[in-house]
Amino acid sequence: DAGITQSPRHKVTETGTPVTLRCHQTENHRYMYWYRQDPGHGLRLIHYSYGVKDTDKGEVSDGYSVSRSKTEDFLLTLESATSSQTSVYFCATSLGQGADTQYFGPGTRLTVL
Amino acid sequence: LAKTTQPISMDSYEGQEVNITCSHNNIATNDYITWYQQFPSQGPRFIIQGYKTKVTNEVASLFIPADRKSSTLSLPRVSLSDTAVYYCLVGDMVTGGGNKLTFGTGTQLKVEL
Repeated sequence: DAGITQSPRHKVTETGTPVTLRCHQTENHRYMYWYRQDPGHGLRLIHYSYGVKDTDKGEVSDGYSVSRSKTEDFLLTLESATSSQTSVYFCATSLGQGADTQYFGPGTRLTVL
Repeated sequence: LAKTTQPISMDSYEGQEVNITCSHNNIATNDYITWYQQFPSQGPRFIIQGYKTKVTNEVASLFIPADRKSSTLSLPRVSLSDTAVYYCLVGDMVTGGGNKLTFGTGTQLKVEL
């Protein structure tokens, strides 16, 4: 599997505070993705990146922003966290686009009180 | 964007063959069919991918009929460790990037002794 790490692995924060989650990969994959997973909804795409400084919105992008200043790092920021953003967040990477195999990180469990 | 439908849950016993069917009536010509497996507290992991007919690897087989409007993931001789959620995805390899894939809620497979 691709070397994908996420930090932090667990975080508890309060409503209204900014939160940044980090995804780091060592495989030099061009494409990177942020998903959230909630009971009854499966995995939903938040944002994705198709290269350094190239990003686009996914299915559930409201309230989230992303940045990718170098190939190996993809940051997800919640500008002002809300309780509805309590979720498990997964980062993924792929060498190619579309249906090419995605490799997932271990996930970050975020709780917004 | 091809929508997929799969059973919410399935039960089986160790040693049995399990077949999980996914329907994707509006699959496009360039779309591939991909299956992922997810264990609790882990990110999804690629199992198998195919375009038509039959694909087999060391862990599973994928059967795709000629009209490609459905596909069946076959797990031979399941064990307790195969208890997981299985996702069927449909998407192309050429265009669209990450926002062309939808994971849905998947099928929860429970294997018992």
